[in-house]
Amino acid sequence: QKEVEQDPGPLSVPEGAIVSLNCTYSNSAFQYFMWYRQYSRKGPELLMYTYSSGNKEDGRFTAQVDKSSKYISLFIRDSQPSDSATYLCAMSALGFQKLVFGTGTRLLVSP
Amino acid sequence: DTAVSQTPKYLVTQMGNDKSIKCEQNLGHDTMYWYKQDSKKFLKIMFSYNNKELIINETVPNRFSPKSPDKAHLNLHINSLELGDSAVYFCASSRTSGNQETQYFGPGTRLLVL
Repeated sequence: QKEVEQDPGPLSVPEGAIVSLNCTYSNSAFQYFMWYRQYSRKGPELLMYTYSSGNKEDGRFTAQVDKSSKYISLFIRDSQPSDSATYLCAMSALGFQKLVFGTGTRLLVSP
Repeated sequence: DTAVSQTPKYLVTQMGNDKSIKCEQNLGHDTMYWYKQDSKKFLKIMFSYNNKELIINETVPNRFSPKSPDKAHLNLHINSLELGDSAVYFCASSRTSGNQETQYFGPGTRLLVL
């Protein structure tokens, strides 16, 4: 079993939909939780970062962490075609230095 | 102006060859990383250097040898290339003041071993 599990998708939604992306994990030592966005043929870029449990909102993006269930989510409101990308969850017990990534979920937002 | 740059972007080579990938960052960071992303998009850390010292080495075959000549550069040399080495290799960098620093990724080097 991988430390971090993520549905690879693809997840296809119409423009304007609310998107929910999720990861589960097995290592209870993870304290730092991140979401990266990766466009085709580009490097990952950090979208959201959360320490421990709770919610964090940034514009159309909301990250949620439920440590009791070992489950994290990323919500995208009013999705746009430009949101079409692969979304990777990442987590660490030691901050940003040793990240463990999920396999990524490919999101397709159609106009 | 590119924060983290890698050369070459594409690398096609024969099995058994030796090749190098170079990485440079102009962000003033003191920690640099190499990641491997396979065909299923799984991104896995290989090495991490802090101030030119190796701090993470994740069970990578010793055919892979990272070298950090200074804080701004981290190169990856691969000996005796194998088919399974075909992947996208990403360099990243961060600061190490506390645990709150973002990793910035380069554009990747696409390696194809024939």
